[in-house]
Amino acid sequence: DGGITQSPKYLFRKEGQNVTLSCEQNLNHDAMYWYRQDPGQGLRLIYYSQIVNDFQKGDIAEGYSVSREKKESFPLTVTSAQKNPTAFYLCASNSGDVRNYGYTFGSGTRLTVV
Amino acid sequence: AQSVSQHNHHVILSEAASLELGCNYSYGGTVNLFWYVQYPGQHLQLLLKYFSGDPLVKGIKGFEAEFIKSKFSFNLRKPSVQWSDTAEYFCAVVNQGGKLIFGQGTELSVKP
Repeated sequence: DGGITQSPKYLFRKEGQNVTLSCEQNLNHDAMYWYRQDPGQGLRLIYYSQIVNDFQKGDIAEGYSVSREKKESFPLTVTSAQKNPTAFYLCASNSGDVRNYGYTFGSGTRLTVV
Repeated sequence: AQSVSQHNHHVILSEAASLELGCNYSYGGTVNLFWYVQYPGQHLQLLLKYFSGDPLVKGIKGFEAEFIKSKFSFNLRKPSVQWSDTAEYFCAVVNQGGKLIFGQGTELSVKP
């Protein structure tokens, strides 16, 4: 079945450490996105990529980094510069026709800083 | 910048009650609107979408939404909710850059 796989489902990190969240899709979608979900704040866009080897900052990119070396993969690194990293992180993708099909989402990674 | 506003943060209903969740958007041009649902522990799923044509859109699981251009609204409705409708609901609009902008979300709790 086609879809988006995010791993791990739960992740614990010590303060001051970088951590990388995985997002893989087998939908052959060109565009991929990372969102952060916090209670009462909805989904906020961190980074997005519309094509391999290219990506742009979203609304809350500070303290995060991404890469897009392969079409299928869009990993997100939460760096030690992110002041409040504890959150639920969602990866999404689309074929380029957002207006007709919206996004397909992964099941998310819950990151907790301890 | 375009924005989406969901007025109800948490709605609590009893089974069989009718549901209406508010959604207002700020963009005045051609709009594409979506409602997504996130059941506990699951990924976001598309409930319904408005692209053009009939402003009353029917989605999965008995949900519908009405696009009212004059009110910049796209409210979600269901005549009779079930316990299994307990979830978080997100309204979204496609912005000029072709990206989805989400509202803050509404948590729905249905009491059996």
